[in-house]
Amino acid sequence: GQQVMQIPQYQHVQEGEDFTTYCNSSTTLSNIQWYKQRPGGHPVFLIQLVKSGEVKKQKRLTFQFGEAKKNSSLHITATQTTDVGTYFCLRVANTGNQFYFGTGTSLTVIP
Amino acid sequence: EPEVTQTPSHQVTQMGQEVILRCVPISNHLYFYWYRQILGQKVEFLVSFYNNEISEKSEIFDDQFSVERPDGSNFTLKIRSTKLEDSAMYFCASDQGLYQPQHFGDGTRLSIL
Repeated sequence: GQQVMQIPQYQHVQEGEDFTTYCNSSTTLSNIQWYKQRPGGHPVFLIQLVKSGEVKKQKRLTFQFGEAKKNSSLHITATQTTDVGTYFCLRVANTGNQFYFGTGTSLTVIP
Repeated sequence: EPEVTQTPSHQVTQMGQEVILRCVPISNHLYFYWYRQILGQKVEFLVSFYNNEISEKSEIFDDQFSVERPDGSNFTLKIRSTKLEDSAMYFCASDQGLYQPQHFGDGTRLSIL
């Protein structure tokens, strides 16, 4: 259906290592958004990707939208303890007003 | 920076009772949403609201749930006859339009006893 699968579910990294989470959809996405949720917090918008093959960077974060617009990735270079949290992708249903969060990837950074 | 505010932060209710969760979206936003997050799980869409009516709802949003915008600022979620499985964090969000970033409140933790 319109669900999005996200992998991995959990990731533990040493501080300074890189981290990547992937969102996969069985159907073509019109766009995809990424959110970060700190432990005990609420989702906070990070970025939106719209175009096929689009790559956007925010400091150490790199977001990519697949050529077929069925998958997306978030890559963090040289993780820091402030990167701890759960990263969710969000897709908008084709109807335009229903939203599906991915299953999330929980990142733990070990100092 | 303007924020979405939610009250209360924590609500404890006996099973079978009704609860009303309150939200004040950002003032110039047009679309309002409610989401649910069961502990340790993903955020689940419940309902979207635009122009004083529901524009979309999920399978979770059954007759037990209702939303209302009683005045120009508040947006409420009512849960009738609460069940144990309604225990979750409920987030309100708002945005300026389709495909715009959603701004989330801090959530209301609902505990059904």
